[in-house]
Amino acid sequence: GQNIDQPTEMTATEGAIVQINCTYQTSGFNGLFWYQQHAGEAPTFLSYNVLDGLEEKGRFSSFLSRSKGYSYLLLKELQMKDSASYLCAVSYYSGGYQKVTFGTGTKLQVIP
Amino acid sequence: DSGVTQTPKHLITATGQRVTLRCSPRSGDLSVYWYQQSLDQGLQFLIQYYNGEERAKGNILERFSAQQFPDLHSELNLSSLELGDSALYFCASSVAGTQETQYFGPGTRLLVL
Repeated sequence: GQNIDQPTEMTATEGAIVQINCTYQTSGFNGLFWYQQHAGEAPTFLSYNVLDGLEEKGRFSSFLSRSKGYSYLLLKELQMKDSASYLCAVSYYSGGYQKVTFGTGTKLQVIP
Repeated sequence: DSGVTQTPKHLITATGQRVTLRCSPRSGDLSVYWYQQSLDQGLQFLIQYYNGEERAKGNILERFSAQQFPDLHSELNLSSLELGDSALYFCASSVAGTQETQYFGPGTRLLVL
């Protein structure tokens, strides 16, 4: 099966930098997604990493190490609106099909 | 706005009843996914359809079923409802497969009393 692990909750200060980690154990791994979900709303896409390394997109960056089964999402210059859950999801190949499994998410609280 | 629509937005029903949730994917997307999210829980993948055919199955109960129609909209049928089925049900779509970004609809909030 697929095993995805992320911290349940994190707190960070407005203007600061926060790193949200995700570790996974997945056979047939293709890539890793990060989604943002505000309470009661739909998840929205942030990033998709296939290759090792860091991908930067504005205030958000995502890193992947395939050999270590590890990814992180880096949020810079935190804003109050960044308070949300951040979902790590792995795409993998199984039973002849591509599939995706979501982690339980990390609830980030940004405080003044 | 992701381009994925779901109806109804809210649904209140009683135990033992049956409901149907509807999803229209983004224009051009062939894959539809259904997820269940209970309070403070992660997204639980239920089922995926691709161009009318079932592609992958997750933790979907036997009381639940889904289908994707020729016009690519999808319906999720929940029967013999129990209190524990109260949750937010999301539909997502992508162009083809799960290596691609999934665009989520606003969800249907189901409350079983």
